Amino acid sequence: GQNIDQPTEMTATEGAIVQINCTYQTSGFNGLFWYQQHAGEAPTFLSYNVLDGLEEKGRFSSFLSRSKGYSYLLLKELQMKDSASYLCAVRRGSGTYKYIFGTGTRLKVLA
Amino acid sequence: SQTIHQWPATLVQPVGSPLSLECTVEGTSNPNLYWYRQAAGRGLQLLFYSVGIGQISSEVPQNLSASRPQDRQFILSSKKLLLSDSGFYLCAWSVPKWGISGYTFGSGTRLTVV
Repeated sequence: GQNIDQPTEMTATEGAIVQINCTYQTSGFNGLFWYQQHAGEAPTFLSYNVLDGLEEKGRFSSFLSRSKGYSYLLLKELQMKDSASYLCAVRRGSGTYKYIFGTGTRLKVLA
Repeated sequence: SQTIHQWPATLVQPVGSPLSLECTVEGTSNPNLYWYRQAAGRGLQLLFYSVGIGQISSEVPQNLSASRPQDRQFILSSKKLLLSDSGFYLCAWSVPKWGISGYTFGSGTRLTVV
């Protein structure tokens, strides 16, 4: 089957570092994506991993271990505007173009 | 640059009424197009995707249908809405090959069936 698990909610303080974990089980893995979604808005693309290791983009980094079916999104120097839901999504290959999304992690950044 | 337009932004419809949501993409050719639904407190559920004009793949049996009459137009429809059709509907596009860009989503339509 296909399954993506993320924590439902996390809370952190402004200026801190937070790590949001994602575990997945799927066939035909062809990349893992992280999206940010503010309340009432559409998701926006944050990062992409297809090979094992860490990808860094400014304050955001994403890590992937394909053998463990595990990824995390690391947010540094948290700002109030980072309060949002963070969606983990797996892209499946095998001739299809479908992305399977987790239910998202709602992050609250406190002053 | 590529843009995606989705309308309307909000919609309140009575049970049993028809539905038509439209999505158009500009600045790209032959995109892959998708319709997702996000129910309150739940993840994004893929409803339909299309890799070309007239080519529609349905992911889950339901009260909805999709059509792609033009290369950059994707329409989500229903003949008779159910209460369970309420949710946040998102159209998205991606390039028709593997890449790092992922999806680009439209701004979404919040549908409330009453």
